[in-house]
Amino acid sequence: AQTVTQSQPEMSVQEAETVTLSCTYDTSESDYYLFWYKQPPSRQMILVIRQEAYKQQNATENRFSVNFQKAAKSFSLKISDSQLGDAAMYFCAYRSAGLSGNTGKLIFGQGTTLQVKP
Amino acid sequence: AAGVIQSPRHLIKEKRETATLKCYPIPRHDTVYWYQQGPGQDPQFLISFYEKMQSDKGSIPDRFSAQQFSDYHSELNMSSLELGDSALYFCASSLEYRRLNTGELFFGEGSRLTVL
Repeated sequence: AQTVTQSQPEMSVQEAETVTLSCTYDTSESDYYLFWYKQPPSRQMILVIRQEAYKQQNATENRFSVNFQKAAKSFSLKISDSQLGDAAMYFCAYRSAGLSGNTGKLIFGQGTTLQVKP
Repeated sequence: AAGVIQSPRHLIKEKRETATLKCYPIPRHDTVYWYQQGPGQDPQFLISFYEKMQSDKGSIPDRFSAQQFSDYHSELNMSSLELGDSALYFCASSLEYRRLNTGELFFGEGSRLTVL
């Protein structure tokens, strides 16, 4: 079974600085997707960034980028120029690409609470 | 663009009562997933449906049941409610995973259940 681990329950960053959130996962599959979701106090689940495992190039979305290390099964999120609105719980998530019979559910890590200090 | 619609958004029940949550997926999405998220916890997968058939089952209590209807909306029925059932219940939809092009699940805003 696949597992996702976020070892940082809480992180803090100064406004305008850069912060990196860590995520590791375990799988025997070769084709899958990885995601970072943001959950602000409203508790809406917001997709931040996605990565296809077959792509070597790291995904980037504006101030958000990932460092995807497939061999190490690591998927960290870097937030540049942090803003007060970035304060939220961040979840790393894994999803099978469906080639091994899995049904495509998202498997979440434990979450990291990010505090942004003005 | 149409999103995943969940109702009700908030629900308060007494212990041992029954509750029903509804989920309307994005049009043309054929797969629905239900998740339960307790306070400060990560979302836990409950159950999923593809083309009106149960496709996967997670940590769903026997007191809970769910189904997907012909119009692809889904309902989660919870009976004999316990205090520990108080949580945010998310529904997400997608195209069937083997036809994915982005892999993304689209989440509703959640239904917050409080059991007193």
